[in-house]
Amino acid sequence: GEDVEQSLFLSVREGDSSVINCTYTDSSSTYLYWYKQEPGAGLQLLTYIFSNMDMKQDQRLTVLLNKKDKHLSLRIADTQTGDSAIYFCAEGDTGNQFYFGTGTSLTVIP
Amino acid sequence: DGGITQSPKYLFRKEGQNVTLSCEQNLNHDAMYWYRQDPGQGLRLIYYSQIVNDFQKGDIAEGYSVSREKKESFPLTVTSAQKNPTAFYLCASSEIELDIDQPQHFGDGTRLSIL
Repeated sequence: GEDVEQSLFLSVREGDSSVINCTYTDSSSTYLYWYKQEPGAGLQLLTYIFSNMDMKQDQRLTVLLNKKDKHLSLRIADTQTGDSAIYFCAEGDTGNQFYFGTGTSLTVIP
Repeated sequence: DGGITQSPKYLFRKEGQNVTLSCEQNLNHDAMYWYRQDPGQGLRLIYYSQIVNDFQKGDIAEGYSVSREKKESFPLTVTSAQKNPTAFYLCASSEIELDIDQPQHFGDGTRLSIL
């Protein structure tokens, strides 16, 4: 399978910006995805970016894609305690399989 | 509302027992997936199905079985051959479009524990 890597933990203070990073290996994905998982729940699709785009903004969320370096990031502006969760990046392939990172656990300190 | 329903939310298994986890979707998606989640290991694919009456093994299929008799249903059986079944199990579904990956949508998961 493909390799999708993320750091495991991130802590930020409430009101600061959070940046979660991800690297991937497969360049054939049409889209790259960010999911959020709250404790004891499934994964919620947060946002995704078309692989030919560099940036996508959606309210407090900004996704940056550096296709040359195969690097994806998710920036959360004005981070709130409700943003505390595990964030997964994922890429798909044309065979309809997904490859997930290990997830980054975001802790927001009040 | 359209979505994916997994049941039960919590399940306990005795040694040597098979248990079946339910997954139902009303999104009219062709593809369905089962993942296992362990702490710090992300999601690992157990089985997936792209069409009724057909399914493929994922990375960790040993000790598991599935069926796909209806488009909306994809139950997972954890057999007694699975020696370490304690985990959080997630079901997902997606549309299928030729040569273009589609986002997967997830249920709320089933937590399986050994008694």
